[in-house]
Formats: sequence, structure tokens, C-alpha cells
Amino acid sequence: GQQLNQSPQSMFIQEGEDVSMNCTSSSIFNTWLWYKQEPGEGPVLLIALYKAGELTSNGRLTAQFGITRKDSFLNISASIPSDVGIYFCAGPSPTNNNDMRFGAGTRLTVKP
Amino acid sequence: DAGVTQSPTHLIKTRGQQVTLRCSPISGHKSVSWYQQVLGQGPQFIFQYYEKEERGRGNFPDRFSARQFPNYSSELNVNALLLGDSALYLCASSLPSGRTGELFFGEGSRLTVL
Repeated sequence: GQQLNQSPQSMFIQEGEDVSMNCTSSSIFNTWLWYKQEPGEGPVLLIALYKAGELTSNGRLTAQFGITRKDSFLNISASIPSDVGIYFCAGPSPTNNNDMRFGAGTRLTVKP
Repeated sequence: DAGVTQSPTHLIKTRGQQVTLRCSPISGHKSVSWYQQVLGQGPQFIFQYYEKEERGRGNFPDRFSARQFPNYSSELNVNALLLGDSALYLCASSLPSGRTGELFFGEGSRLTVL
């Protein structure tokens, strides 16, 4: 089935540093989404990408939909302590748009 | 405005028991999806309901069932619980005109099976 591979699995960075994480798949996705999950909470949508090559920003976050449609990356600039959490990439199953596939996540720790 | 609400937040069951989890979507959202999140993994799709009809089902056994009520709230039932059913169960709602993947998640119900 469609598997989303996220890297790195975890990151430990200093406050103020920039962060880059990515997500790859062996299958094509028509939509890429990035969610963030904090402890005790459900995932929250950060950025949605609907077109190959699309580059979208949301504050300090920037995400791109890869040209091959098999990858996406998320960058966070000038990290702050509240960026701590697990970042998931996601995309819909090719057979059912309602079936969202999630990667295993990148766990981000920001040291003040 | 209230977000997606789920109950109970935590529960402990023993193997073989049955559990019912409840979800109220955001007002105006008619679609509800259920996901299972095992520790260290991303959420995995279980069901999606829209206008009280099942619109999608993930790769889960028949022990898992769900329904949606006229007020768009939903219940997830799991019978004959196994240790491996221990997980965070997330409910998400979305607008009928919403774009693909734009899900609003609740805080989840954490189920522990002993």
C-alpha cells in the first residue's frame, strides 16, 4: 500500500535554528498535508498542498509539493520552544480521498 | 466555537470486553472520520461517515464498527478487545465542501486494554 516515509525520525535543535524535514513515498500523491501534534492533543493541520511544485507558507513554516508528486518537505525558520511536537505528513489514498495516510512523524525538540 | 469533542478521554478495559467511543463534530461539519494512533506511529484510518452513511473503511477487522447519528455525532464500537487495540482513537470532522485532507481532530480517547 501507500507508505509515507518521514525523515528524520527526531530532531534536537537550539532555539532560533532553522528546521527541515521531509516525506517521501513510492507512490504518487495528488495532495500533501502537514499536521502537527502536541502531547495530549490531536493533530492540527499546518499546511495543505494541492499542486505539484506548489510552495506554500504559513508564518515561519514553508512546505513544498515535490515535482515528482512523490515527496514533500517542511521547513521551519527561527524555531521557538512552542514548535515542539510531532510533525506528520499525510496524503489521501488513491482509491478513497477520505482515507488519509500518515507518516510515522518527525519528533521535534527545541532547546531554549 | 467548540472544536471536536470526544469521550471518554481515557479508559481501561480487559481483553474480550467491548468499548464505545463517542465524538461530536464541529458545528456545521457533516463528515466524521475515525483514526487509530498506536504509540510512535501516525494515525491510521478506520472509518469515514458522511450524512449517516459509511463512505470509507480502512483495513480493520469486523470487530470495529461505527455509526453516525442525525445530529452528525458518531460512535465507534470495538468488540472482543485485544491487547493490540490499545491506542489513541482520534475523531476528525470536516466540512462537506472542505478540501481533501482538511481534517479537524479531537483530543482523542486513549484506550488501554489489559
